[in-house]
Formats: sequence, structure tokens, C-alpha cells
Amino acid sequence: QVQLQQWGAGLLKPSETLSLTCAVYGGSFSGYYWSWIRQPPGKGLEWIGEINHGGGTKYDVSLESRVTISLDMSNNHFSLKLTSVTAADTAVYYCARRGNAQDYWGQGTLVTVSS
Amino acid sequence: DIQMTQSPSSLSASVGDRVTITCRASQGISNYLAWYQQKPGKVPKLLIYAASTLQSGVPSRFSGSGSGTDFTLTIRTLQPEDVATYYCQTYYSAPLTFGGGTKVEIK
Repeated sequence: QVQLQQWGAGLLKPSETLSLTCAVYGGSFSGYYWSWIRQPPGKGLEWIGEINHGGGTKYDVSLESRVTISLDMSNNHFSLKLTSVTAADTAVYYCARRGNAQDYWGQGTLVTVSS
Repeated sequence: DIQMTQSPSSLSASVGDRVTITCRASQGISNYLAWYQQKPGKVPKLLIYAASTLQSGVPSRFSGSGSGTDFTLTIRTLQPEDVATYYCQTYYSAPLTFGGGTKVEIK
């Protein structure tokens, strides 16, 4: 049974760096993409980006200059870093596994950006 | 970038009704289309992938159809537990855009 468990700081000040980690239990990294998705309060889902098991990444163009997704297969986790955050980055952030589509999700982390 | 347009944005139907949600892609995406259900305060759940393949464990009253640019999610007989927001998403190419969502309520 695949499980994704995520963690990271929930309250940031403007200009700080958002950092989240997602641990993968019960499954292999090979053959899948590992995604980050966010949802601003009361709004829809936004795809941030993904990484494959070979380390190849794709990002949403609007975030590309600020985002880095990395993979640590030796410790069975992948991570998200988003620099220079503003209030517009306030959202619930989800990690997810993608085979065909995102079939397993983390529990979500609310990240609030406020001075 | 591919844009995904869902309609309607919300609907209200009675228990037992047939409910249809549509999703239109701004360009052809073959069948690289998934549907998700998100109940209030919960994590999104994959319902359908490859436009029409039911994810394991999903009730058979849910079905998907379409190819190219036009897609449909159908709930054959609406149940109270189907109250949720439904999202389509393309995984044809990055960015893997989501539709704006359709909120389904019980009348």
C-alpha cells in the first residue's frame, strides 16, 4: 500500500523560502512522476511541477523561476522549494504520485505567508 | 499551454438523478484526461484516468467518456456521498492543467 507523508513549515514571512518534503512508503520511485500541486483557500487545484525517477523536472511556467523539485531516492523522499514567497503563495500544498494520473496523494500542508 | 474549461461551475441535483459534467481542452489531448473528486476539507481522489478507465475501488455509477477535446464525467445515479467538487486534468503535456472545478450539491 503506497502512502505519501509530507511535512514542512506552515507559516512563512514574505520573501522567505517555502520548503516541503514528501516521504514515499510502500512503493518504488521507478516508473512514476512525483508531483507537487497546490490549492489556494477556496480555489481550485494548481499544478506546480513534477520530477521523474531519473531526476528530470517540469515546472509550471509561472513559477519556474522560483521553484525547485528534487528527489532523494536513497531516503525515499522528494522535496519542493519555492523562493521569495508572497501572500499569493498561501495555499494547501499536496505531493502526489503520477502514473497515468495522480493516484496517490499526501495529506496536504497549509502554508500561510504573512508578515 | 493547454487550457481546460469545465462546465457547469456548479450544479444542484436530486438524489438518484443522472449528473453530467463536461471538460473541454483548448487543443487535442487524445485521451490523456483524468477526473478527480474532492470532498470538502479532504484530499483529491482519482476517479477516472485515460478519459474512461475507472480507478480501482471507484463505484461503477461514475463513468467517463470523450477523446480529443471534449470529455464528460457522468454520475449515473447521484448519491448523498457524491457531494464534492470535481476536477478534470490533462496529462498530455506540461503544464498538467486542471479545470476550474464543478461543485455538485444535493437539491
